Amino acid sequence: EAQVTQNPRYLITVTGKKLTVTCSQNMNHEYMSWYRQDPGLGLRQIYYSMNVEVTDKGDVPEGYKVSRKEKRNFPLILESPSPNQTSLYFCASSTLLAGVLNEQFFGPGTRLTVL
Amino acid sequence: DAKTTQPNSMESNEEEPVHLPCNHSTISGTDYIHWYRQLPSQGPEYVIHGLTSNVNNRMASLAIAEDRKSSTLILHRATLRDAAVYYCILRAMEYGNKLVFGAGTILRVKS
Repeated sequence: EAQVTQNPRYLITVTGKKLTVTCSQNMNHEYMSWYRQDPGLGLRQIYYSMNVEVTDKGDVPEGYKVSRKEKRNFPLILESPSPNQTSLYFCASSTLLAGVLNEQFFGPGTRLTVL
Repeated sequence: DAKTTQPNSMESNEEEPVHLPCNHSTISGTDYIHWYRQLPSQGPEYVIHGLTSNVNNRMASLAIAEDRKSSTLILHRATLRDAAVYYCILRAMEYGNKLVFGAGTILRVKS
């Protein structure tokens, strides 16, 4: 089944404790992206990647890191989480056809709470 | 950054067409217009996207103004399952493939 998986689905942590949220897709998609969703603010893009070893900042990259060492995986790293990073996080992937972004498939979301 | 403006909420009756507007007055010539929706407690779901011409698929139609400063997502017959938040997004080519989401429109469907 074609899908985007995220782990963990729920995470409660404390300020400053490094964490990684994994994202994996099985559709051989070039494009992957991370979003956060906060009440009243809709979806905001954190980072995206157009292919292996190619990443770029979205709208709200501060406090986050990503890597794209393999095509299928795009982990989101919080080196020193803070309470303002408490949010619902979504990973997404898509094909790129002649540079045009097609339908994005979203993962189920990761609800992160930073105390 | 290219931004979009959508109404906060709209209401529709079941089985009737729904027209969801989106303004993007600063759109550039190479920006694609994407629409996604998010049902309660779910991740976003792709609806449709286009560049200049009107587009149709099994879910909806996308009507793009001639000057491309606005677009309208058309649901031809709203059902209760269409109640969701609808996002109009510009894919800003000049900024790479960064996606800029609008605030979204909450669509309520009445039976």
